[in-house]
Amino acid sequence: DAGVIQSPRHEVTEMGQEVTLRCKPISGHDYLFWYRQTMMRGLELLIYFNNNVPIDDSGMPEDRFSAKMPNASFSTLKIQPSEPRDSAVYFCASSFRLAGSTDTQYFGPGTRLTVL
Amino acid sequence: KNQVEQSPQSLIILEGKNCTLQCNYTVSPFSNLRWYKQDTGRGPVSLTIMTFSENTKSNGRYTATLDADTKQSSLHITASQLSDSASYICVVSPYSSASKIIFGSGTRLSIRP
Repeated sequence: DAGVIQSPRHEVTEMGQEVTLRCKPISGHDYLFWYRQTMMRGLELLIYFNNNVPIDDSGMPEDRFSAKMPNASFSTLKIQPSEPRDSAVYFCASSFRLAGSTDTQYFGPGTRLTVL
Repeated sequence: KNQVEQSPQSLIILEGKNCTLQCNYTVSPFSNLRWYKQDTGRGPVSLTIMTFSENTKSNGRYTATLDADTKQSSLHITASQLSDSASYICVVSPYSSASKIIFGSGTRLSIRP
C-alpha cells in the first residue's frame, strides 16, 4: 500500500481565496483524521470520520473550515475564505479503529499551506 | 485541564550515545500513550503504543516506559544514529473521547556525528 496520500504537498494562496486539501486514506481503514500543525500550537485534531461519516468536528476552528468524505477513499478539507493565520501544515491520518484504541494512526506527508 | 508536557524542548547528543526524553501528563483517566517520531517535512510515525496497564514497550533501539501512578513516560534511545534526528511527540488518549487526544509539543533531537 502507498500509505496515506495527500495533495497538494504545498499550497500558496492569497487571503480570501478558497483552498481545498485532499486525502486518500489507506485502503480498508475505517477512520480518517484531519490535523493541523503549527509552531505555536503543535498538532491539533480538527475533525475525524468513521465510515465516511463525520463524528466530531469540535476541533474545526471556524465556519470557514469544512470537511467532507464522499466515499471511503477520498476526503477533502476546505477553507473558504482563507486567512494568513490558517498558514500551517495540514495532515491527514487513517486507522482501522479509533485513536482511543491501540490501533496505529498512519499519517500522510502533509500539505504545507501558506496564505499571503 | 488535561495537559501533556515534554522535556527537554531540544537536545543535542553525539552519535552512538544514549538519551532519554520525558513526557508528563495530567490526563485522567487515560486509554493509551503513544510516542511518535516526526522527521522534518514529514508526517509523524508511530514508535510505541502503551495502555495504562503496560510499563514498557520496545521498538528496536527505542524503549518507552510508563508510570501510571506518577503520570510519567519516557522514551529511551539506545546507540543513537544520525537518522534519529527528528522531533519526538508524546500523545495521550483519554477514555472520554477519541477527539480529545492531547499532543505534547515535542522534543527536537539532533544527533551530531
